Amino acid sequence: AQKVTQAQTEISVVEKEDVTLDCVYETRDTTYYLFWYKQPPSGELVFLIRRNSFDEQNEISGRYSWNFQKSTSSFNFTITASQVVDSAVYFCALRGSGTYKYIFGTGTRLKVLA
Amino acid sequence: ETGVTQTPRHLVMGMTNKKSLKCEQHLGHNAMYWYKQSAKKPLELMFVYSLEERVENNSVPSRFSPECPNSSHLFLHLHTLQPEDSALYLCASSHLVAGGPTTGELFFGEGSRLTVL
Repeated sequence: AQKVTQAQTEISVVEKEDVTLDCVYETRDTTYYLFWYKQPPSGELVFLIRRNSFDEQNEISGRYSWNFQKSTSSFNFTITASQVVDSAVYFCALRGSGTYKYIFGTGTRLKVLA
Repeated sequence: ETGVTQTPRHLVMGMTNKKSLKCEQHLGHNAMYWYKQSAKKPLELMFVYSLEERVENNSVPSRFSPECPNSSHLFLHLHTLQPEDSALYLCASSHLVAGGPTTGELFFGEGSRLTVL
């Protein structure tokens, strides 16, 4: 069975602090894909990143960075120097090879206070 | 035109009403999805259409009836709903590769917030 766990329900930080959102996944597939999405109050889930299981390189995009570790089945997301506009619900998702099903975690609500 | 457009954005209906949610994608994708998002629950996959054929049906009650007339449009027909069906219904699309699931991401609409009285 496939599963995504986001243990942090809600995180509050003060602007300019760094924050890490945790994601732990379970799958028996050898090939799979991991995703992060951002859901602002408008409701639309906005794609942030995709990672393939065979590519463990970490990635940095501006203030965002992702740490993918197969050994611990984790795909954590760090926001550096957080801003109020980063306030949203963030979802981690998993999809196995050959399936249409994307399995989402329950999301982490991030509040960045001015 | 935004990538994935959903209408209406908000819908209030009684349990005996019949209504429909509409989704349209302008991305040239050929797979479309309905997800249900309830408070404090993971996103629940309801239906997937690939090349206008339903390929996933996740044990959804028959009071929800999907329709995919072409690769750009997806509907969710609603009838005799229950108050627990109140939720945000999200439509998404993706691009298929060689007729199978894409390795890429889903593109979501802003959702239709449904309230059943």
